[in-house]
Amino acid sequence: EAGVAQSPRYKIIEKRQSVAFWCNPISGHATLYWYQQILGQGPKLLIQFQNNGVVDDSQLPKDRFSAERLKGVDSTLKIQPAKLEDSAVYLCASSLATRTDTQYFGPGTRLTVL
Amino acid sequence: SQQGEEDPQALSIQEGENATMNCSYKTSINNLQWYRQNSGRGLVHLILIRSNEREKHSGRLRVTLDTSKKSSSLLITASRAADTASYFCATVNSGNTPLVFGKGTRLSVIA
Repeated sequence: EAGVAQSPRYKIIEKRQSVAFWCNPISGHATLYWYQQILGQGPKLLIQFQNNGVVDDSQLPKDRFSAERLKGVDSTLKIQPAKLEDSAVYLCASSLATRTDTQYFGPGTRLTVL
Repeated sequence: SQQGEEDPQALSIQEGENATMNCSYKTSINNLQWYRQNSGRGLVHLILIRSNEREKHSGRLRVTLDTSKKSSSLLITASRAADTASYFCATVNSGNTPLVFGKGTRLSVIA
């Protein structure tokens, strides 16, 4: 079974630029999550999708972050404009249905904002 | 905010020894999960223990849960160099709120 795919693996940008990350969840998984993991900390949930609808985006900085999951499969997370404090690893995860299901994580995208 | 707090922050042991990591949390939970993260990679789910369970085993892993103390422990027996990683506990609260991770324990197993 193929795992969660993410791209790119690494990205370096300057502050105020924009960046986008892509995630392809495990086939058949209805729920998709985006996490931000700052160095030395645990992942923090940014947004959760159930199929193509948003379930929870309470911790998403909506003035600069946006995410979509068209057709309920792939998802993109965008940051515009980026700030220095956005430097982190962005992890995508998927699960079969609900939050109580096991989540499967992708390898992450390491973003450096200069 | 982070719900789980792992202890210790870092742990270094010799290969073959047992490693014990602890996690404390603050509010009532639906379940508690342990994940492993190797350097530069995503998280791998290790084990899930529900609030009505007290102990679970998976291979060399043993997890206990004490809801009265709001704490959990992860024991890795007969550790190997490949167990070197960061270990995170994460909780799903009774209100079915998002999975909330702690800051993790960095385990180093020296061959």
